[in-house]
Amino acid sequence: QKEVEQDPGPLSVPEGAIVSLNCTYSNSAFQYFMWYRQYSRKGPELLMYTYSSGNKEDGRFTAQVDKSSKYISLFIRDSQPSDSATYLCAIIQGAQKLVFGQGTRLTINP
Amino acid sequence: DAGVTQSPTHLIKTRGQHVTLRCSPISGHKSVSWYQQVLGQGPQFIFQYYEKEERGRGNFPDRFSARQFPNYSSELNVNALLLGDSALYLCASSLAIWNTGELFFGEGSRLTVL
Repeated sequence: QKEVEQDPGPLSVPEGAIVSLNCTYSNSAFQYFMWYRQYSRKGPELLMYTYSSGNKEDGRFTAQVDKSSKYISLFIRDSQPSDSATYLCAIIQGAQKLVFGQGTRLTINP
Repeated sequence: DAGVTQSPTHLIKTRGQHVTLRCSPISGHKSVSWYQQVLGQGPQFIFQYYEKEERGRGNFPDRFSARQFPNYSSELNVNALLLGDSALYLCASSLAIWNTGELFFGEGSRLTVL
């Protein structure tokens, strides 16, 4: 079983829609959860990170962690064409490395 | 302020050759990590260096090696290249060895092995 699993999509939605991106993870010991955004031919950039359970909001973005079901989510409200990118969930394993999901390719259609 | 810079941005090699990729971290960052991203996949951890010492190694063969210099820049070396080494190689820097996911990535070096 992979440590982090993510539906690769692709996911295509109209502008203004609410987008839900999801990952599952295998080890209940994981504490830090991240979402990265990667535009085509660019490096990933950190969007948000959360510690343990609960929600964290930043503008149009909300990250949610449900430790009981080992499920992490990213919601994008009022989606814009500029949000079109690949979204990567990640967890920290030990003190040395991030373990990424496969990434979900998202397209927002004007 | 300059972000993480990597060179070269693109390169083409043939099987069996050797490649060296270079990375300059953000000023003040002492930790550098390397990741491999195969097309359509998430990045996979290769190495982490902190204060010029290897602090973590992923599940990669010994053909992969790295080092960090006194100015905190880093090199990733790959020997005896295989077709499967074709990927985007990402360098990331952070202030300290323990990071809360706040890794800052460069734009990567895209390696094609023919």
